[in-house]
Amino acid sequence: GQQVMQIPQYQHVQEGEDFTTYCNSSTTLSNIQWYKQRPGGHPVFLIQLVKSGEVKKQKRLTFQFGEAKKNSSLHITATQTTDVGTYFCAGNSNSGYALNFGKGTSLLVTP
Amino acid sequence: GAVVSQHPSWVICKSGTSVKIECRSLDFQATTMFWYRQFPKQSLMLMATSNEGSKATYEQGVEKDKFLINHASLTLSTLTVTSAHPEDSSFYICSASDLSPEAFFGQGTRLTVV
Repeated sequence: GQQVMQIPQYQHVQEGEDFTTYCNSSTTLSNIQWYKQRPGGHPVFLIQLVKSGEVKKQKRLTFQFGEAKKNSSLHITATQTTDVGTYFCAGNSNSGYALNFGKGTSLLVTP
Repeated sequence: GAVVSQHPSWVICKSGTSVKIECRSLDFQATTMFWYRQFPKQSLMLMATSNEGSKATYEQGVEKDKFLINHASLTLSTLTVTSAHPEDSSFYICSASDLSPEAFFGQGTRLTVV
């Protein structure tokens, strides 16, 4: 079955440093979504990427979808303490609607 | 955005008892809802896909007789953990979608079996 791998598992940065998490699928995806989960909370939708090579930005967050639609990345510029949480990528295959989640990257930002 | 309400947010039960978790879409009709399980500091694992008016589709390795799913209406799906054991302790989350690509998650239910 489809597997979605995400690295790194943990990242600890100083406030102001950049952060990137990478997501790789074993199969081609129809789309990829990114979620943020704060400790004790539930996943909150950030964005969806659909097109090959697509790049989207949300303020300090930049999302990319690979040309082969099998990998994606989330880059945060100049992290802030409010960026703390676990970032999950989740892929949709062409055949279904259920999301396959990566294991997530837990980001810790210290002032 | 659409709102999905999950209840209860936390529950403690004795080993051997059953627990029902409700997932409601408050402002849209969800023909399909999904149930996930999340262990501490781990990812969300899809347990089953719940379809209104029909039997749920379970993922491999998920015991359908232990995790009973009912999707009786377009706004309500329930997950019942039967004869719960300590190893069933986990964070259970439902999600549903309207016509948008975004999946809306319930607040989650933290189940502790003692």
